[in-house]
Amino acid sequence: QKEVEQDPGPLSVPEGAIVSLNCTYSNSAFQYFMWYRQYSRKGPELLMYTYSSGNKEDGRFTAQVDKSSKYISLFIRDSQPSDSATYLCAMSGGRSTGGTSYGKLTFGQGTILTVHP
Amino acid sequence: GAGVSQTPSNKVTEKGKYVELRCDPISGHTALYWYRQSLGQGPEFLIYFQGTGAADDSGLPNDRFFAVRPEGSVSTLKIQRTERGDSAVYLCASSPRARFEQFFGPGTRLTVL
Repeated sequence: QKEVEQDPGPLSVPEGAIVSLNCTYSNSAFQYFMWYRQYSRKGPELLMYTYSSGNKEDGRFTAQVDKSSKYISLFIRDSQPSDSATYLCAMSGGRSTGGTSYGKLTFGQGTILTVHP
Repeated sequence: GAGVSQTPSNKVTEKGKYVELRCDPISGHTALYWYRQSLGQGPEFLIYFQGTGAADDSGLPNDRFFAVRPEGSVSTLKIQRTERGDSAVYLCASSPRARFEQFFGPGTRLTVL
């Protein structure tokens, strides 16, 4: 079983829809939770991050972390065609413990999102 | 400013050959990371450097894989006796110090025939 599980989709929504992306994980040593966005033939770029449990909002994007359930989510409001990409959840530990380290990111499989006009 | 650059962008080789993949990090970034991304999968951690030393090499799959960063800037990922299963996009990233916000290059697409 993988440490981080993410529904690969693909997900296709109309412009303006609310999108919900989710990941579950098994390693309780993870402390930092991130969402990266990857366009075709490009490297991933950091979209948002959250430390420990809680919510974080940035414009149309909201990230949620529930450490008790080992579940994280990314919500995209008023989705746009330019949001079409692969969304990757990623996690890291705060120290070298439990198979984690500051610099080692563990990614989910990625969810392919298409927002059509 | 310039981002992370990787060369070559594409590499086709034959099974059993040796390959080197190069990464030029963002100037001033002390941490450098290597990941491997297979088709339809998320990036898989291989190794990261803090300065010249490997801080965590727990992701290297076997002793055919080796990486160096002799002067704390450019890094080279070396793969010996390539196998077809090594075919993937090899991503390099860098950051000012070891942390989760990593700046990725476009990757080197390796194909082993």
